[in-house]
Amino acid sequence: NAGVTQTPKFQVLKTGQSMTLQCAQDMNHEYMSWYRQDPGMGLRLIHYSVGAGITDQGEVPNGYNVSRSTTEDFPLRLLSAAPSQTSVYFCASSYLRPVEYNEQFFGPGTRLTVL
Amino acid sequence: AQSVTQLGSHVSVSEGALVLLRCNYSSSVPPYLFWYVQYPNQGLQLLLKYTTGATLVKGINGFEAEFKKSETSFHLTKPSAHMSDAAEYFCAVSPPGYMNTGFQKLVFGTGTRLLVSP
Repeated sequence: NAGVTQTPKFQVLKTGQSMTLQCAQDMNHEYMSWYRQDPGMGLRLIHYSVGAGITDQGEVPNGYNVSRSTTEDFPLRLLSAAPSQTSVYFCASSYLRPVEYNEQFFGPGTRLTVL
Repeated sequence: AQSVTQLGSHVSVSEGALVLLRCNYSSSVPPYLFWYVQYPNQGLQLLLKYTTGATLVKGINGFEAEFKKSETSFHLTKPSAHMSDAAEYFCAVSPPGYMNTGFQKLVFGTGTRLLVSP
């Protein structure tokens, strides 16, 4: 298993540009989520999905869109990048099982800089 | 709202010394609690978690944590630090209402960077 994969690893954008961060998992996990990590702030949840066709907002959703057309993929779209979106983005996935029998797996991250 | 406080953004220890990383949570209902480790340029990896039952939880790499309801704490310890333990450590909680749904809608602390010197 490749686990949770993210592309690209690094990206530099200019203000106003759009782009899509890719996330894929091969573990047949129902639950997928996107977090951003900023210095001194830990990880904050952007959007999440509990299955194909079902998405919902997390703590900091503004400026980001998501969709879930397949179980495997959960792309994150920045429609018009802003310097405040400079961050490290992590995708994570898990089964929809009680927490006692479950673990959330994280991808290696995408480091995004918006100039 | 649920919150997690990690005291100390950086903790320095010598190799072989005790590691103690502090985590306090705010919740009127005991949440599920987690510790994750992040090695440089990598994603997060689960170290251990507390759900129910025994309050002393053992995790990977010799780490353990104790849930203390009276102190709303879940501090992470390791008796003897190793150079390979140098990393950033995050405490997280699963808010009440989500614990039994399979959602892992985690709320993270700000992280503590552990530095280990020879």
